[in-house]
Amino acid sequence: KQEVTQIPAALSVPEGENLVLNCSFTDSAIYNLQWFRQDPGKGLTSLLLIQSSQREQTSGRLNASLDKSSGRSTLYIAASQPGDSATYLCAVRLRKDGNNRLAFGKGNQVVVIP
Amino acid sequence: SQTIHQWPATLVQPVGSPLSLECTVEGTSNPNLYWYRQAAGRGLQLLFYSVGIGQISSEVPQNLSASRPQDRQFILSSKKLLLSDSGFYLCAWSVLGNTEAFFGQGTRLTVV
Repeated sequence: KQEVTQIPAALSVPEGENLVLNCSFTDSAIYNLQWFRQDPGKGLTSLLLIQSSQREQTSGRLNASLDKSSGRSTLYIAASQPGDSATYLCAVRLRKDGNNRLAFGKGNQVVVIP
Repeated sequence: SQTIHQWPATLVQPVGSPLSLECTVEGTSNPNLYWYRQAAGRGLQLLFYSVGIGQISSEVPQNLSASRPQDRQFILSSKKLLLSDSGFYLCAWSVLGNTEAFFGQGTRLTVV
């Protein structure tokens, strides 16, 4: 069974610092990995999707890397802003699963202090 | 473009009452549809998924059921709610292949 772990569970950083969020997974046979953002009481917003053949994806201040062999992904958020405060979730789609189901971590809860 | 609608946003229901949460997707055909539940301090738990009309797979035994009466409509139901059914319910869709999953805005269900 695929286990997805996100460390740290919660962190606070001053505005302007770079954020580094870690995600690890136990089964390296994945189709892709997706990072989401969740604001309190809201749904999930897709941030980045990395295919299993890719090493990284970038969108604006966000950069996500993928090391499939070691079962790790890292989300970097450059020059953090108070608006980046949210919970960040990573999810993997197993290659063995023909129904596109996702296995989620419990999230990194981020607070950016002005 | 594709959009996903989920309603209601919040719901307070007494124990033993029925439940019906609805999710619809626009702008795509034959999507895979999913119902997740998110409980405080826990990750997202997949409850049901559907790859086509009338095709429902259940991930965990529970007090809930799902139906897909139309291609882009997914309904989560219960005949009699339990206190333990309280939580945040999320609907999602994707298509086959190496594509993204997209989520609705969620329904906060409180069973009292």
